[in-house]
Amino acid sequence: AQKVTQAQTEISVVEKEDVTLDCVYETRDTTYYLFWYKQPPSGELVFLIRRNSFDEQNEISGRYSWNFQKSTSSFNFTITASQVVDSAVYFCALREVQETSYDKVIFGPGTSLSVIP
Amino acid sequence: NAGVTQTPKFRILKIGQSMTLQCTQDMNHNYMYWYRQDPGMGLKLIYYSVGAGITDKGEVPNGYNVSRSTTEDFPLRLELAAPSQTSVYFCASSLRSESYEQYFGPGTRLTVT
Repeated sequence: AQKVTQAQTEISVVEKEDVTLDCVYETRDTTYYLFWYKQPPSGELVFLIRRNSFDEQNEISGRYSWNFQKSTSSFNFTITASQVVDSAVYFCALREVQETSYDKVIFGPGTSLSVIP
Repeated sequence: NAGVTQTPKFRILKIGQSMTLQCTQDMNHNYMYWYRQDPGMGLKLIYYSVGAGITDKGEVPNGYNVSRSTTEDFPLRLELAAPSQTSVYFCASSLRSESYEQYFGPGTRLTVT
């Protein structure tokens, strides 16, 4: 069963618009970690944020913000005033601490964001 | 620091050939990983290593082998390449465990025909 769902396959926005990328996860662990990574057209994945399951505080970093809600198993990512440089594929990922038989981070399928000038 | 480097960037293999994808990190990270990324999909873990001399299978290990003789290097070996192994391969490392952010290499685009 897919444990990280990113329902939006592709999103297009016009520059300066706000955009939210959805991430819904599934786990039976009480301790887990969530991540967002960015994959620009150059191909290399870049770490954006890590959040552990005990820290439900939302986080803001410049134009980026993350909304973690355990009640809905969601960890959504919002870009405010989007820019062309934000065009990339964004991956949400889950690290379960106890459940897995082997250590792994489960990546969602990704959301491709295109910011049109 | 160069971070995580991978060679080659691109490679075309014929069915049945073998090759080694190289991965080196200079951050003194204990954990290293190999992922494959198929078009429109997320990353799937092939193998990982928690330190020199220790490796373990990930989600999709069949058709691959790894070794970790040093902290810095984590080569991925493909034996008897098959078209199903056409993918982009990423090497990554993290300071301690998967609970820490991973640093990725630029990827190797492999085509098996």
